[in-house]
Amino acid sequence: NAGVTQTPKFQVLKTGQSMTLQCAQDMNHNSMYWYRQDPGMGLRLIYYSASEGTTDKGEVPNGYNVSRLNKREFSLRLESAAPSQTSVYFCASVGGGLYEQFFGPGTRLTVL
Amino acid sequence: QKEVEQNSGPLSVPEGAIASLNCTYSDRGSQSFFWYRQYSGKSPELIMFIYSNGDKEDGRFTAQLNKASQYVSLLIRDSQPSDSATYLCAVKTAGSARQLTFGSGTQLTVLP
Repeated sequence: NAGVTQTPKFQVLKTGQSMTLQCAQDMNHNSMYWYRQDPGMGLRLIYYSASEGTTDKGEVPNGYNVSRLNKREFSLRLESAAPSQTSVYFCASVGGGLYEQFFGPGTRLTVL
Repeated sequence: QKEVEQNSGPLSVPEGAIASLNCTYSDRGSQSFFWYRQYSGKSPELIMFIYSNGDKEDGRFTAQLNKASQYVSLLIRDSQPSDSATYLCAVKTAGSARQLTFGSGTQLTVLP
């Protein structure tokens, strides 16, 4: 049982490049989330997916797109990376009757 | 005003002392409250959750909730150097489906 996995772990991009961050969970959870974490700002929600086939914007969605490929996978795409998107990105999932979120190991992204 | 507020710290306590971490929230309809621990360079992990007013104890950790005053706290008894981490308070606000709103975290250092 791997829990929540994310790829890649580290990435350096140049301004204007695009990339997709991958997330997968093997806990049969319905809901999945993408956060970014910047120093002193806690976790901010980018997008979430309450269930397969649905996605909704969070607090900071500008510059990002998401795809809920199936129940297991939820990807985050940066179409044209900007230095302001330099951050640590966490994927999380939750299922069952509780609201506990399980987090992946994170992707450390630097945009030059 | 941020929805979930925490003192950023850093908070330093000597080994063996009680560490007290506080969190206030603005939405009176908030229902569920979580404390996550995040070691440097790692992802957040859940250590406590509380739904009802009063205290909830789990080993050396005690979560306290006062909905009338809109605060939740985490006490760590017999603090150990291994407790040194950032502690994130998270709140499920009313009507937010399965979303959590996170505070910016309090950095705790336990001095040997």
